[in-house]
Amino acid sequence: DGGITQSPKYLFRKEGQNVTLSCEQNLNHDAMYWYRQDPGQGLRLIYYSQIVNDFQKGDIAEGYSVSREKKESFPLTVTSAQKNPTAFYLCASSHKGDTEAFFGQGTRLTVV
Amino acid sequence: SQQGEEDPQALSIQEGENATMNCSYKTSINNLQWYRQNSGRGLVHLILIRSNEREKHSGRLRVTLDTSKKSSSLLITASRAADTASYFCATLLQSYQLTFGKGTKLSVIP
Repeated sequence: DGGITQSPKYLFRKEGQNVTLSCEQNLNHDAMYWYRQDPGQGLRLIYYSQIVNDFQKGDIAEGYSVSREKKESFPLTVTSAQKNPTAFYLCASSHKGDTEAFFGQGTRLTVV
Repeated sequence: SQQGEEDPQALSIQEGENATMNCSYKTSINNLQWYRQNSGRGLVHLILIRSNEREKHSGRLRVTLDTSKKSSSLLITASRAADTASYFCATLLQSYQLTFGKGTKLSVIP
């Protein structure tokens, strides 16, 4: 089945630790996106990538890092520099960036 | 800052009624899209309207776009309890950033 997969669904992190969220797609899409969703604030763009080995900062990139070494994969690392990382993280992909986006089911990150 | 802003923030209607949600945005766009999110899940694409289009239909959905006013509306006709969800507009900027608003939470009462 074609789609976009995020893992894990739930993730717990201790303060001061880095953690990496996985996002994989087999839709052959060029563009991939990472969003953060907090209650009442909608989706905020963290990073996006139009092609392999290239990515751009979104509105709230501080404390996050990404890589795009393969077309299918766009992992997001939440670093210890992110002061309030507890949130719902959503990954999306689209063909060429100007068509509909397909979303994963999200990863809920909690700092304990 | 977020590009799109939906209005109202929350909407409660009876089953069978129509639901209208509005979206305003700030800068020039390539296209505008509407998405739906059930609680705790990923978003699902509903409809895309390009900047040179004024109206688009898909089943019970009707979307309009007014680029002079930088606004769009989503109409859901003959609503059903299963339409209960949050609805987001998303704008694709020239730089290919896809940015979302805060959403409208729709409750359809059976």
